[in-house]
Amino acid sequence: GDSVTQMEGPVTLSEEAFLTINCTYTATGYPSLFWYVQYPGEGLQLLLKATKADDKGSNKGFEATYRKETTSFHLEKGSVQVSDSAVYFCALKPYNNNDMRFGAGTRLTVKP
Amino acid sequence: KAGVTQTPRYLIKTRGQQVTLSCSPISGHRSVSWYQQTPGQGLQFLFEYFSETQRNKGNFPGRFSGRQFSNSRSEMNVSTLELGDSALYLCASSPSGRMNTGELFFGEGSRLTVL
Repeated sequence: GDSVTQMEGPVTLSEEAFLTINCTYTATGYPSLFWYVQYPGEGLQLLLKATKADDKGSNKGFEATYRKETTSFHLEKGSVQVSDSAVYFCALKPYNNNDMRFGAGTRLTVKP
Repeated sequence: KAGVTQTPRYLIKTRGQQVTLSCSPISGHRSVSWYQQTPGQGLQFLFEYFSETQRNKGNFPGRFSGRQFSNSRSEMNVSTLELGDSALYLCASSPSGRMNTGELFFGEGSRLTVL
């Protein structure tokens, strides 16, 4: 069935470093792709999304591009801040149902 | 606008008992989904309700059930609890219609511990 695989964590970076969190997917048809973020003590919240190939989602300095040829949706940020410390989840919604599939999550810690 | 509210936030049960968790979606949202989050399995989809009907169901045993009321509030029930049911149960609502866009609004969860 449809699924996503994201890089194992944890990831520790210094402030202002470049961030990449890899996410690849397996799906039939054309799924929608998402990144959700869970800050400490809070619920998950949508960070960005892309609904078709070559779409770029962006929010709060984060970006991810829906690459059908490599079945990937990698999350990037050019300069991370301490406040970006959180757990990041890649997610997929199949084209034909509402059963969201989440990756295992990647914990990011940004040190000052 | 109030967010998704889940109650109770924490609860402890013993094996064999049953539990009911409640979720109040954002006003106007008609779709409610439930997820189980554990360190080993991550986030797993339980079921989704829309207009009081279960639209999708994940791969969980029949001990896990849910329902949705006319005001879109939802409950999930787990009967005959097992140790492995210890988890954070997350509820998410969506404003979408027949097919969700995938933009989910999550509550903070109900943390269940089974002893």
